[in-house]
Amino acid sequence: EVQLLESGGGLVQPGGSLRLSCAASGFTFNSYAMSWVRQAPGKGLEWVSTISASGALTYYADSVKGRFTISRDSPKSTLYLRMNSLRAEDTALYYCAKLHPTYHYDSSGYYGAFDVWGQGTLVPVSS
Amino acid sequence: EIVLTQSPGTLSLSPGERATLFCRASQSVSSSYLAWYQQKPGQAPRLLIYGASNRATGIADRFSGSGSGTDFTLTITRLEAEDFAVYYCQQYGSSPQTFGQGTRVEIK
Repeated sequence: EVQLLESGGGLVQPGGSLRLSCAASGFTFNSYAMSWVRQAPGKGLEWVSTISASGALTYYADSVKGRFTISRDSPKSTLYLRMNSLRAEDTALYYCAKLHPTYHYDSSGYYGAFDVWGQGTLVPVSS
Repeated sequence: EIVLTQSPGTLSLSPGERATLFCRASQSVSSSYLAWYQQKPGQAPRLLIYGASNRATGIADRFSGSGSGTDFTLTITRLEAEDFAVYYCQQYGSSPQTFGQGTRVEIK
């Protein structure tokens, strides 16, 4: 069964840091680009970051650029999101998601529909 | 950035009725790189449609997508009880990929 399982969320103070993890199983992890997508409470979906299958290329939304770092460990089939300088507006449920095999890419990023999602991990940022 | 505007905000229908959801882009979505998702309370989104009109694996044929350029449509031909949910469109044709604000399909 194809599965993504996030962990690492929790209450953090403004200015603090957190690292999210996403364990993948049931598919060849190192063959697919992966992303993080977040959803603020009661709000819609926002793309956060994408990493290429090799891990060599990374892309970020302007709202998190310079503060968040996406990475992957292929032997462990695990995706990560390091979040620094957290703000109240980063409060959200963070999902990891796998890009559909029909994804495409250009010099600005990797793009695709998200065909597998984790259950999400909640990151409240509050003092 | 391409802004996606979904309409209506809420659709109140009865089981068995037809649902038509719209997604309008602020500029043309290249190569019909548009997807639709269903999200139920407390659950992650589920991919329904990619490439504007291709059903994802395991999706019932009562779901169909159409459109190109700036105007896209998701149609559910006969609503079943499990279809009442929030639906999002997403464009992945250019950076940054963006989502619409969602349409809630509720039981009338």
